[in-house]
Amino acid sequence: GEEVAQTPKHLVRGEGQKAKLYCAPIKGHSYVFWYQQVLKNEFKFLISFQNENVFDETGMPKERFSAKCLPNSPCSLEIQATKLEDSAVYFCASSQLLAGGTGQETQYFGPGTRLLVL
Amino acid sequence: AQKVTQAQTEISVVEKEDVTLDCVYETRDTTYYLFWYKQPPSGELVFLIRRNSFDEQNEISGRYSWNFQKSTSSFNFTITASQVVDSAVYFCALSEVGGSQGNLIFGKGTKLSVKP
Repeated sequence: GEEVAQTPKHLVRGEGQKAKLYCAPIKGHSYVFWYQQVLKNEFKFLISFQNENVFDETGMPKERFSAKCLPNSPCSLEIQATKLEDSAVYFCASSQLLAGGTGQETQYFGPGTRLLVL
Repeated sequence: AQKVTQAQTEISVVEKEDVTLDCVYETRDTTYYLFWYKQPPSGELVFLIRRNSFDEQNEISGRYSWNFQKSTSSFNFTITASQVVDSAVYFCALSEVGGSQGNLIFGKGTKLSVKP
């Protein structure tokens, strides 16, 4: 599609429950990024993919977070055993490239999934 | 280490005033990209502009203009004749080809309130 799509828009989970978020990148974009926005303003990078391969996972809290981008499926971000501090808006972004200077490295963002852990 | 600083946490102006949002960045890479995004109250992130490190030309788009100065590591954003619809949080971000592997490093944002 022409826009990054994210589902669901809102997700409420009890502490300890699993949460799964989905992202469909813009068609033709090779890179997918996940970011967490907490306290309304602070962004934290989680993980990036180049097609279906993990590109950079240095931001992922690996003990409870996992992510996949499989061919012909939306990308997913899963949180096992959610904690209160996982409450945030999770944004997915996609870009054609990482660099190039022609604008193809611009990341376009989806509308976000607001996760509330009670 | 890479860093983006937006020193202004909140700015309030009256409609039709001009306003400048400051952004200072730190990077060791020679090739990098700078971005501005707008986050209106509805929550989505809207791309406004991208600049690469080799292009110091200033840019104007309607009421928006950007001033990129490598000498001071700044990429400031000016809104001329502000309107109520400009009320939003504005984020400056940096991506590096090498250091951050293309991930965006965001500043903490400047909340702009434009009053009628």
